[in-house]
Amino acid sequence: GIQVEQSPPDLILQEGANSTLRCNFSDSVNNLQWFHQNPWGQLINLFYIPSGTKQNGRLSATTVATERYSLLYISSSQTTDSGVYFCAPGTGGGNKLTFGTGTQLKVEL
Amino acid sequence: NAGVTQTPKFQVLKTGQSMTLQCAQDMNHNSMYWYRQDPGMGLRLIYYSASEGTTDKGEVPNGYNVSRLNKREFSLRLESAAPSQTSVYFCASSERSVQGGFRNYGYTFGSGTRLTVV
Repeated sequence: GIQVEQSPPDLILQEGANSTLRCNFSDSVNNLQWFHQNPWGQLINLFYIPSGTKQNGRLSATTVATERYSLLYISSSQTTDSGVYFCAPGTGGGNKLTFGTGTQLKVEL
Repeated sequence: NAGVTQTPKFQVLKTGQSMTLQCAQDMNHNSMYWYRQDPGMGLRLIYYSASEGTTDKGEVPNGYNVSRLNKREFSLRLESAAPSQTSVYFCASSERSVQGGFRNYGYTFGSGTRLTVV
């Protein structure tokens, strides 16, 4: 199956800083999503982005499918951004996703 | 509230007991999924249902069965629980929707069931 590698595994930021999270995947994909898991365990869909660039407030994401990577940008980070960020590409039918092991982000005051 | 509802939120089982995790969505999505999450790991797909009346195995189906009861409901059953099935279980749903000319397969997750098998 598809292999997913996320970096960095851990990240500590001061409030207001910017960051870039990277996701590399091993195969061609027809689906890629980014999720945020908050400290209480809830998973929130941030982006559905199999290719191209999208922005939502302070967050943006870019997927370069031909080079098999995706980037998640967080600008002006806030303490509420803390949690784990998962990249999840998908191949084939059924809209199935394979999750990476995540980037653990902590934003400090 | 629109979304995905999972029950129960917490459960402790003894080895060998059986139980069913329930999941319901009210977004009229066609596709539903069961994932498990173990400490320090990403989520792994157990089973999925691309549409009502169909189910397929995912990455880690052994020890589980599923039922797509109708379009809204997708249940996960542990017939004989084992300590290795201690995990947090998430149900999700998705659908194709046209937003600004792009199809969106974005997932909506339930809040999870924390299962401990002793």
